[in-house]
Amino acid sequence: KQEVTQIPAALSVPEGENLVLNCSFTDSAIYNLQWFRQDPGKGLTSLLLIQSSQREQTSGRLNASLDKSSGRSTLYIAASQPGDSATYLCAARLLTGNQFYFGTGTSLTVIP
Amino acid sequence: GAGVSQSPRYKVAKRGQDVALRCDPISGHVSLFWYQQALGQGPEFLTYFQNEAQLDKSGLPSDRFFAERPEGSVSTLKIQRTQQEDSAVYLCASSSVGLRETQYFGPGTRLLVL
Repeated sequence: KQEVTQIPAALSVPEGENLVLNCSFTDSAIYNLQWFRQDPGKGLTSLLLIQSSQREQTSGRLNASLDKSSGRSTLYIAASQPGDSATYLCAARLLTGNQFYFGTGTSLTVIP
Repeated sequence: GAGVSQSPRYKVAKRGQDVALRCDPISGHVSLFWYQQALGQGPEFLTYFQNEAQLDKSGLPSDRFFAERPEGSVSTLKIQRTQQEDSAVYLCASSSVGLRETQYFGPGTRLLVL
């Protein structure tokens, strides 16, 4: 079974800072990895999807990297804004099976 | 077009009651997933449909949980004889053809079993 861990569990930064969220997974035979944000009481919003053949994906101020050999992915957020405050979840899909294995998330607070 | 919708958004049930949770995926999306999210945890996979076929139900926690998607669009997750440990947010997600595609999530149904 794939185990996905996210560190830190919670993070508080002042507005404007760059920050990195970490995700590690135990089984490197992944199909793809996806980063989501979840606002309180809401569903998940997809941020970036990285296929196993890719090393990174970028969207606006967000950049996600993938290193299968070390079982790690990072989500880099540049010039953080209060609207970035949310819980960020990473999820890995294995080469076999259909499900995503989720981490427990990092709760981010950006202080104005 | 509309995103994934789920109903009801909130459900309170007495222990032992049966509940039915509905998911309307994005039109044309072939794949549909159900997840269970306990408080403070990440979502955990329950089951997966491709069109009307339930291809994977390995995550269903017990035989009290049943899911269907009879016409390959709307799906219903049914929980029989609810228990307090069933209290969670139930999330539905859909994606277009293929496992390479992004999953789009609904807002979830928050179930509280008293």
